[in-house]
Amino acid sequence: GAVVSQHPSRVICKSGTSVKIECRSLDFQATTMFWYRQFPKQSLMLMATSNEGSKATYEQGVEKDKFLINHASLTLSTLTVTSAHPEDSSFYICSARDEGRNNQPQHFGDGTRLSIL
Amino acid sequence: QKEVEQNSGPLSVPEGAIASLNCTYSDRGSQSFFWYRQYSGKSPELIMSIYSNGDKEDGRFTAQLNKASQYVSLLIRDSQPSDSATYLCAVNWPSGAGSYQLTFGKGTKLSVIP
Repeated sequence: GAVVSQHPSRVICKSGTSVKIECRSLDFQATTMFWYRQFPKQSLMLMATSNEGSKATYEQGVEKDKFLINHASLTLSTLTVTSAHPEDSSFYICSARDEGRNNQPQHFGDGTRLSIL
Repeated sequence: QKEVEQNSGPLSVPEGAIASLNCTYSDRGSQSFFWYRQYSGKSPELIMSIYSNGDKEDGRFTAQLNKASQYVSLLIRDSQPSDSATYLCAVNWPSGAGSYQLTFGKGTKLSVIP
């Protein structure tokens, strides 16, 4: 089945640090990947749609300058949380779908738990 | 606005019982439907896909789809404590030019009581 790899699984860092999270599709190509954020006991919230070779599409209320997305290849998207602060602490999850097979589900990475001190 | 509605729960069932999880969606053009399971602190995991009206069974799980009623459900037979999780319903609909948009419900929390 489709596998999505996400790294790192956990990050603990000081306030003001920028953190990069990688999302890779291991056995399929993904022109589109998705970034979600989930706070404790809350629903999954779509932050942005990452598009290979073009700008990401951000959901309303998500700061594009704060959450930088780069989708440089068909198998890799990165999310950089710039100058992270404690309120950015959350569970970040990426997903991807095999674009070669229409009407398919998204497959999720294992997520990155970000803790800003 | 494409919407997917689920009862947030919690839904509590005794061990060994059948758990029934329900989902309704707003777009009649939706073409595929998925159920994900999310354990606390983990990312969602795909457990069932269904594309046509009727029932689809996989082990203890049965997905049911009724496109006329815009309703999809997940039944879990012989529920186990390990089934305790949040179950997310997701609906795929065509967004043009061969692309599809996946919309998630907010999830139903299931608790199986030993």
